Amino acid sequence: AQRVTQPEKLLSVFKGAPVELKCNYSYSGSPELFWYVQYSRQRLQLLLRHISRESIKGFTADLNKGETSFHLKKPFAQEEDSAMYYCALSDRAAGNKLTFGGGTRVLVKP
Amino acid sequence: NAGVTQTPKFQVLKTGQSMTLQCAQDMNHEYMSWYRQDPGMGLRLIHYSVGAGITDQGEVPNGYNVSRSTTEDFPLRLLSAAPSQTSVYFCASSPRVGGYGYTFGSGTRLTVV
Repeated sequence: AQRVTQPEKLLSVFKGAPVELKCNYSYSGSPELFWYVQYSRQRLQLLLRHISRESIKGFTADLNKGETSFHLKKPFAQEEDSAMYYCALSDRAAGNKLTFGGGTRVLVKP
Repeated sequence: NAGVTQTPKFQVLKTGQSMTLQCAQDMNHEYMSWYRQDPGMGLRLIHYSVGAGITDQGEVPNGYNVSRSTTEDFPLRLLSAAPSQTSVYFCASSPRVGGYGYTFGSGTRLTVV
Protein backbone atom coordinates (compact mmCIF):
# COMPACT_ATOMS: atom_id res chain seq x y z
CA ALA A 1 0.00 0.00 0.00
CA GLN A 2 1.23 3.48 -0.73
CA ARG A 3 2.06 5.80 2.12
CA VAL A 4 3.22 9.38 2.54
CA THR A 5 4.93 10.55 5.70
CA GLN A 6 5.54 14.12 6.78
CA PRO A 7 7.47 13.82 10.04
CA GLU A 8 7.12 17.42 11.19
CA LYS A 9 3.71 18.64 12.26
CA LEU A 10 4.97 22.18 12.85
CA LEU A 11 7.90 24.19 11.54
CA SER A 12 8.53 27.60 13.00
CA VAL A 13 11.15 29.80 11.30
CA PHE A 14 12.07 33.46 11.19
CA LYS A 15 11.52 35.56 8.11
CA GLY A 16 14.48 35.26 5.77
CA ALA A 17 15.60 31.89 7.14
CA PRO A 18 15.63 28.74 5.00
CA VAL A 19 12.82 26.25 5.40
CA GLU A 20 12.72 22.58 4.46
CA LEU A 21 9.64 20.39 4.74
CA LYS A 22 10.31 16.69 4.69
CA CYS A 23 8.26 14.15 2.77
CA ASN A 24 8.95 10.44 2.45
CA TYR A 25 6.86 7.99 0.49
CA SER A 26 6.44 4.31 -0.19
CA TYR A 27 5.07 3.16 -3.54
CA SER A 28 5.73 0.10 -5.62
CA GLY A 29 5.55 1.79 -9.02
CA SER A 30 6.93 4.95 -10.55
CA PRO A 31 5.69 7.75 -8.29
CA GLU A 32 3.99 11.01 -9.17
CA LEU A 33 4.40 13.44 -6.30
CA PHE A 34 2.91 16.80 -5.49
CA TRP A 35 3.04 19.52 -2.87
CA TYR A 36 -0.21 21.29 -2.00
CA VAL A 37 -0.55 24.41 0.13
CA GLN A 38 -3.57 25.47 2.17
CA TYR A 39 -3.75 29.00 3.51
CA SER A 40 -5.95 29.63 6.50
CA ARG A 41 -9.43 28.13 5.90
CA GLN A 42 -9.00 28.10 2.12
CA ARG A 43 -9.00 25.37 -0.47
CA LEU A 44 -5.93 23.32 -1.23
CA GLN A 45 -3.86 24.73 -4.04
CA LEU A 46 -1.33 22.84 -6.09
CA LEU A 47 2.12 24.22 -5.35
CA LEU A 48 4.52 21.90 -7.16
CA ARG A 49 4.53 18.81 -9.35
CA HIS A 50 7.66 16.71 -9.44
CA ILE A 51 7.43 16.12 -13.19
CA SER A 52 7.55 19.82 -14.00
CA ARG A 53 10.73 20.56 -12.02
CA GLU A 54 9.61 24.16 -11.67
CA SER A 55 10.00 26.70 -8.90
CA ILE A 56 6.80 28.28 -7.58
CA LYS A 57 6.85 31.16 -5.09
CA GLY A 58 10.54 30.39 -4.51
CA PHE A 59 9.85 26.79 -3.49
CA THR A 60 11.57 23.82 -5.09
CA ALA A 61 11.28 20.09 -4.52
CA ASP A 62 13.44 17.28 -5.84
CA LEU A 63 12.37 13.69 -6.15
CA ASN A 64 15.00 11.35 -4.71
CA LYS A 65 13.99 7.83 -5.65
CA GLY A 66 16.90 6.29 -3.77
CA GLU A 67 15.79 7.87 -0.51
CA THR A 68 12.09 7.83 -1.49
CA SER A 69 11.83 11.47 -0.58
CA PHE A 70 10.32 14.65 -2.04
CA HIS A 71 11.39 17.40 0.33
CA LEU A 72 10.16 20.97 -0.20
CA LYS A 73 12.66 23.80 0.22
CA LYS A 74 12.76 27.56 0.16
CA PRO A 75 15.98 29.48 0.84
CA PHE A 76 14.37 32.60 2.33
CA ALA A 77 11.00 32.20 4.03
CA GLN A 78 8.45 35.03 3.89
CA GLU A 79 5.59 35.73 6.30
CA GLU A 80 3.08 34.97 3.54
CA ASP A 81 4.46 31.43 3.40
CA SER A 82 2.73 30.66 6.70
CA ALA A 83 0.28 27.90 5.78
CA MET A 84 -0.38 24.18 5.90
CA TYR A 85 1.63 22.12 3.42
CA TYR A 86 0.69 18.66 2.24
CA CYS A 87 2.78 16.19 0.30
CA ALA A 88 0.74 13.84 -1.88
CA LEU A 89 1.37 10.75 -4.01
CA SER A 90 -0.74 9.92 -7.06
CA ASP A 91 -1.77 6.36 -7.89
CA ARG A 92 -2.02 6.27 -11.67
CA ALA A 93 -3.44 2.77 -11.56
CA ALA A 94 -6.50 3.98 -9.63
CA GLY A 95 -7.90 7.22 -10.99
CA ASN A 96 -4.83 9.25 -10.08
CA LYS A 97 -6.18 9.19 -6.54
CA LEU A 98 -4.03 11.03 -4.06
CA THR A 99 -2.62 9.74 -0.80
CA PHE A 100 -1.74 12.63 1.48
CA GLY A 101 0.74 13.00 4.27
CA GLY A 102 -0.47 14.35 7.57
CA GLY A 103 0.62 17.87 6.72
CA THR A 104 3.17 20.32 8.10
CA ARG A 105 2.14 23.68 9.46
CA VAL A 106 4.69 26.37 8.66
CA LEU A 107 4.80 29.49 10.78
CA VAL A 108 7.07 32.28 9.61
CA LYS A 109 7.78 34.78 12.35
CA PRO A 110 8.71 38.40 11.62
CA ASN B 1 -14.43 28.70 -15.88
CA ALA B 2 -15.51 28.19 -12.26
CA GLY B 3 -13.31 25.12 -11.59
CA VAL B 4 -14.70 22.90 -8.82
CA THR B 5 -17.80 24.21 -7.05
CA GLN B 6 -19.06 22.80 -3.77
CA THR B 7 -22.31 23.55 -1.99
CA PRO B 8 -23.18 24.23 0.75
CA LYS B 9 -20.17 25.90 2.38
CA PHE B 10 -21.44 25.23 5.90
CA GLN B 11 -23.96 22.76 7.28
CA VAL B 12 -25.15 21.67 10.71
CA LEU B 13 -26.95 18.35 10.95
CA LYS B 14 -28.55 16.44 13.76
CA THR B 15 -27.46 12.88 14.38
CA GLY B 16 -29.39 10.54 12.10
CA GLN B 17 -30.24 13.11 9.46
CA SER B 18 -29.22 12.57 5.85
CA MET B 19 -27.96 15.10 3.35
CA THR B 20 -26.15 15.46 0.04
CA LEU B 21 -23.03 17.52 -0.51
CA GLN B 22 -22.95 18.81 -4.05
CA CYS B 23 -19.87 19.00 -6.27
CA ALA B 24 -19.65 20.17 -9.86
CA GLN B 25 -16.71 20.84 -12.19
CA ASP B 26 -16.64 22.55 -15.56
CA MET B 27 -13.19 21.46 -16.74
CA ASN B 28 -14.35 18.22 -18.39
CA HIS B 29 -12.17 16.23 -16.00
CA GLU B 30 -12.68 12.49 -16.06
CA TYR B 31 -11.58 11.85 -12.47
CA MET B 32 -13.31 13.15 -9.34
CA SER B 33 -12.77 12.46 -5.65
CA TRP B 34 -14.11 13.26 -2.21
CA TYR B 35 -11.81 13.79 0.77
CA ARG B 36 -12.39 14.60 4.39
CA GLN B 37 -9.96 16.72 6.34
CA ASP B 38 -9.56 16.25 10.07
CA PRO B 39 -7.03 17.90 12.40
CA GLY B 40 -3.78 15.93 12.61
CA MET B 41 -4.94 13.38 10.05
CA GLY B 42 -4.43 15.19 6.78
CA LEU B 43 -6.87 14.39 4.00
CA ARG B 44 -8.40 10.95 3.62
CA LEU B 45 -10.08 9.66 0.49
CA ILE B 46 -13.75 8.73 0.86
CA HIS B 47 -14.81 7.78 -2.67
CA TYR B 48 -13.53 8.43 -6.15
CA SER B 49 -14.71 8.12 -9.75
CA VAL B 50 -12.81 7.58 -12.99
CA GLY B 51 -15.77 8.51 -15.20
CA ALA B 52 -19.52 8.72 -15.48
CA GLY B 53 -21.11 5.58 -14.07
CA ILE B 54 -17.91 4.37 -12.39
CA THR B 55 -17.17 4.85 -8.69
CA ASP B 56 -14.98 3.11 -6.14
CA GLN B 57 -14.28 3.26 -2.44
CA GLY B 58 -11.39 5.08 -0.88
CA GLU B 59 -9.85 4.79 2.56
CA VAL B 60 -12.87 5.81 4.67
CA PRO B 61 -16.08 5.03 2.72
CA ASN B 62 -18.36 3.86 5.53
CA GLY B 63 -21.43 6.03 6.01
CA TYR B 64 -21.13 7.69 2.61
CA ASN B 65 -22.56 7.00 -0.84
CA VAL B 66 -21.68 8.49 -4.21
CA SER B 67 -22.91 8.32 -7.77
CA ARG B 68 -21.60 9.80 -11.02
CA SER B 69 -24.37 10.14 -13.58
CA THR B 70 -22.62 12.89 -15.54
CA THR B 71 -19.00 13.95 -16.06
CA GLU B 72 -19.67 17.25 -14.30
CA ASP B 73 -21.35 16.19 -11.05
CA PHE B 74 -20.22 13.99 -8.17
CA PRO B 75 -22.53 14.31 -5.14
CA LEU B 76 -21.66 12.80 -1.76
CA ARG B 77 -24.52 11.45 0.36
CA LEU B 78 -24.43 11.03 4.10
CA LEU B 79 -26.91 8.30 4.85
CA SER B 80 -27.39 8.77 8.61
CA ALA B 81 -25.15 11.48 10.01
CA ALA B 82 -23.00 10.74 13.06
CA PRO B 83 -20.85 13.08 15.17
CA SER B 84 -17.76 11.25 13.83
CA GLN B 85 -18.61 12.70 10.43
CA THR B 86 -17.99 16.23 11.64
CA SER B 87 -15.27 17.35 9.29
CA VAL B 88 -14.36 19.53 6.34
CA TYR B 89 -15.17 17.85 3.04
CA PHE B 90 -13.31 18.60 -0.17
CA CYS B 91 -14.25 17.59 -3.66
CA ALA B 92 -11.55 17.50 -6.33
CA SER B 93 -11.20 16.72 -10.01
CA SER B 94 -8.34 15.72 -12.29
CA PRO B 95 -7.81 15.07 -15.98
CA ARG B 96 -7.18 11.46 -16.90
CA VAL B 97 -3.71 12.26 -18.14
CA GLY B 98 -1.40 11.88 -15.21
CA GLY B 99 0.97 14.38 -13.70
CA TYR B 100 -1.39 17.33 -13.30
CA GLY B 101 -2.72 16.61 -9.85
CA TYR B 102 -6.20 17.43 -8.61
CA THR B 103 -8.03 20.76 -8.51
CA PHE B 104 -9.90 21.22 -5.25
CA GLY B 105 -13.16 22.89 -4.35
CA SER B 106 -13.47 25.35 -1.48
CA GLY B 107 -14.82 22.77 0.94
CA THR B 108 -17.94 22.11 3.00
CA ARG B 109 -17.63 22.47 6.75
CA LEU B 110 -20.04 19.97 8.30
CA THR B 111 -20.96 19.74 11.97
CA VAL B 112 -23.07 16.87 13.27
CA VAL B 113 -24.62 17.45 16.69
